Amino acid sequence: QVQLQESGPGLVKPSETLSLTCSVSGDSIGTYYWSWIRQPPGKGLEWIGHIYYSGSTNYNPSLKSRVTILVDTSKNQFSLKLNSVTAADTAVYFCARMVVVVSGPLFDYWGQGTLVTVSS
Amino acid sequence: EIVLTQSPGTLSLSPGERATLSCRASQSVSSNYLAWYQQKPGQAPRLLIYGASSRATGIPDRFSGSGSGTDFTLTISGLEPEDFAVYYCQQYGSSRFTFGPGTKVDIK
Repeated sequence: QVQLQESGPGLVKPSETLSLTCSVSGDSIGTYYWSWIRQPPGKGLEWIGHIYYSGSTNYNPSLKSRVTILVDTSKNQFSLKLNSVTAADTAVYFCARMVVVVSGPLFDYWGQGTLVTVSS
Repeated sequence: EIVLTQSPGTLSLSPGERATLSCRASQSVSSNYLAWYQQKPGQAPRLLIYGASSRATGIPDRFSGSGSGTDFTLTISGLEPEDFAVYYCQQYGSSRFTFGPGTKVDIK
C-alpha cells in the first residue's frame, strides 16, 4: 500500500521560505511523478507542480517564480520550497502521486495534508 | 489556462436520491483528461473518476462520469450516507492542472 506523509514547519513568517518534505513508502519514488497541491482554508485545490524521479519538473505558472521541487531518490522523498511567502500562501499542503495512464494523468495517492500558516 | 466551473455550488439531497453534478470548462479539455475527486472534512481528496468516465480502483459502481469537450457530469445513482462530501473536477491541458471550485453534496 502506497503511503505519503508530509512534514515540515506549521508556521512560517512572511517573506521567508516555506519548506516541506514528502516521505513515500510502499513504492519506489523512481517511478511515476510526484506532486504538490495546496488548499487554502475553506477553499478549493490548487496544483503547485510535480517532479519526475529524473528531476524534471513542471510548475504552475502562477507560482513558478517562487517554487522549487526536488527529489531525493536515496531517501524516497521529495520536497517543496516556496519562497517569499505571504498570508495568501496559508493552506493545507498535500503531496500526491501522479500517474499517467492512457486516459490522462491523475492523482491516485495523497498524503493526509499539513497546514502551513504564514504569520509573524 | 482552462477554467473549470462547477454547478450547483451546493446540492441538498436525501439518502437514496440521485445526484447530478456538472463541470464546465472554458475550453475543450484535451483528450477528455477530466477527473473527479471526493473530499470529506479533514481528509485528502480521493480519486473517483478519470478520463471522464473510468472508475478508479475500488470505487462503487453507483459513481459514474460522462461528457466530453467542455461539459462533464458526475452522477451518483443512489446516495449513501458516506457520499455526502465535496466533489471537485480536475483537468489537465497545456502541461498544467486546474481544479473546479467544488460542489458540496449535503443532507437535506
